[in-house]
This record gives sequence, structure tokens and C-alpha cells, in this order.
Amino acid sequence: EAGVAQSPRYKIIEKRQSVAFWCNPISGHATLYWYQQILGQGPKLLIQFQNNGVVDDSQLPKDRFSAERLKGVDSTLKIQPAKLEDSAVYLCASSGSKRWRGYEQYFGPGTRLTVT
Amino acid sequence: SQQGEEDPQALSIQEGENATMNCSYKTSINNLQWYRQNSGRGLVHLILIRSNEREKHSGRLRVTLDTSKKSSSLLITASRAADTASYFCATDGGWFKTIFGAGTRLFVKA
Repeated sequence: EAGVAQSPRYKIIEKRQSVAFWCNPISGHATLYWYQQILGQGPKLLIQFQNNGVVDDSQLPKDRFSAERLKGVDSTLKIQPAKLEDSAVYLCASSGSKRWRGYEQYFGPGTRLTVT
Repeated sequence: SQQGEEDPQALSIQEGENATMNCSYKTSINNLQWYRQNSGRGLVHLILIRSNEREKHSGRLRVTLDTSKKSSSLLITASRAADTASYFCATDGGWFKTIFGAGTRLFVKA
């Protein structure tokens, strides 16, 4: 079974520039998550999709961050414009829909973003 | 919002010793999970324990849950250098949403 794919793995941009991250979840997984993980901290949920609908985006800074999941499969996360404090690893995860197994999340390798 | 807080923040032990990490949370939960993160394999799900369970085992891992004290512990027995990683507890926030704590950094010396 192929895992969660993310690209790019690394990105360096200047502040005020824009950047986009891509995620391909495990085939058949209905739920997709984007997390931000700042060095030394645990992952913080930015947005959660169920199929192509948003379940939770309460911690997404909507003035600069946007995300979409077209056709309930792949997803993109965009930052525009980036700030220095956006430097972090952005993790994508997916999970299935069966009750207890639905909580078990499978994570991609992440994208390490550096904003200078 | 609900969040697990791990204790200690960092732990250093010798190979072969047991490692115990604790997690405390604030509000009622349906389940609690433990994840491991290292540079080689990224963030990986270890174990899920439901609110009506008190103890669960998986290989060298033993997880306990005390809902009356709102706490959980993860025990790794006979630790190996490969167990060096950060360990996170994660509580459920409803509808498959998971809230992670800040983690315990475990270093196992060979």
C-alpha cells in the first residue's frame, strides 16, 4: 500500500512570497488533514477535510492560508503572502472512515518551509 | 480545546532500560493515541486506547489510561537505540479530529 505523498520536501522563500504544497493521501481514505509543526512543538491541525468538504478549519489563518481538496482526493495548501513565523514543517495525513480505525492517521514525510 | 501534555519533556536512558512517558489531558475523551516521530520514518501511529479500556499492549509498548485522573502513560520495555524519537499523545476532538501534545523527546544511548 502506497503511503501519503507530499511535495515538495523542502522550500525556501522570502517573506511576502507565495508557496503551495501538494498532498496525495492513501487511496480510499476519506479524511485528509494538514498540520503545521514548528520546531520543538507538536503538530497543530490547520484544516481537516472529509471527502472534499471542510470539517474543521478553526486554526487556519484564513487571511493568508487556503486549502482545497478537489474531487475528494489530492489536496493543496497555499500560503500567500508568507511571513517569517510560517517557517515550519507542513504535514499531510489521511485516515479511513471505519469508526476506531478512522482515528489512526497516516502521515506523509512533510514539507520543510523556510521563510527568510 | 482538549490537549495532552506530556511529561517529561525529555528523557535519556541506556539501551535495555525501560522508558515511561506520561500524558495528562483536560476534558473527557473517547480515545487517546500515542504517536512516534523520528527523522527516519516521520510521524507514525503507535497505539489507540479507548476510554473504556485501562491497558493495552503492542509488542514492547504498554499503554495505560486512567480516565478518573485524566492521564495516560506509555511504557517502552527493553529500549533500543532505534527507539530514540519524540513521542506524542493525542486526544480526540470529535469526528476523527486529533489534538497533539508537545511531546516527550526520548534518547536511548547505546
